[in-house]
Amino acid sequence: SYELTQPPSVSVSPGQTARITCSGDALPKQYAYWYQQKPGQAPVLVIYKDSERPSGIPERFSGSSSGTTVTLTISGVQAEDEADYYCQSADSSGTPHVVFGGGTKLTVL
Amino acid sequence: QLQLQESGPGLVKPSETLSLTCTVSGGSISSSSYYWGWIRQPPGKGLEWIGSIYYSGSTYYNPSLKSRVTISVDTSKNQFSLKLSSVTAADTAVYYCARLIVVVPAVDMGFDPWGQGTLVTVSS
Repeated sequence: SYELTQPPSVSVSPGQTARITCSGDALPKQYAYWYQQKPGQAPVLVIYKDSERPSGIPERFSGSSSGTTVTLTISGVQAEDEADYYCQSADSSGTPHVVFGGGTKLTVL
Repeated sequence: QLQLQESGPGLVKPSETLSLTCTVSGGSISSSSYYWGWIRQPPGKGLEWIGSIYYSGSTYYNPSLKSRVTISVDTSKNQFSLKLSSVTAADTAVYYCARLIVVVPAVDMGFDPWGQGTLVTVSS
């Protein structure tokens, strides 16, 4: 079955830049979405269509794509950005099936 | 502002059927631009897509759960529902419903917004 691969954890100091990657063979042909999930809360969409930011999401959140890897970048990380982050795309079958990455725990040191 | 709310029993016995309903408010479930989906998250683990439905009734299920899952829609009540049969302890999870925005099927689609989630525990 198709998989999206994320690093389990990323750590960064406040004010620095955090980069979270997501790899999948079909990503060159599909768009990725990113979600932020804080403890006890539902996920929130922070990036869609690889690099678009929904209204209300701070400008420090950005996304990019290169080949089979998409990257969520958080510039000037703040303590409130500590959360789990999940990438999501369609699977590689050509059907509208959804697949999530395993998630990355962002720790703000 | 679109809102989704899950409802249903918080405790289900092993081998029985889990049933949840998602009520959509602030918008119509019959909008042609959207699908509606169920996602779950076992305690301490990641997100797992369960399935999605279009207002017309077309459904798509996670192959790993397909034999046990039924998702249905009731446009008159602006609701969609999940049934998961023959549950075991491995089905214990927070269950979320969410709107699936489909720009291009199988290419450009994602969930927004999400319901708050409801914990379902499978135990005798």
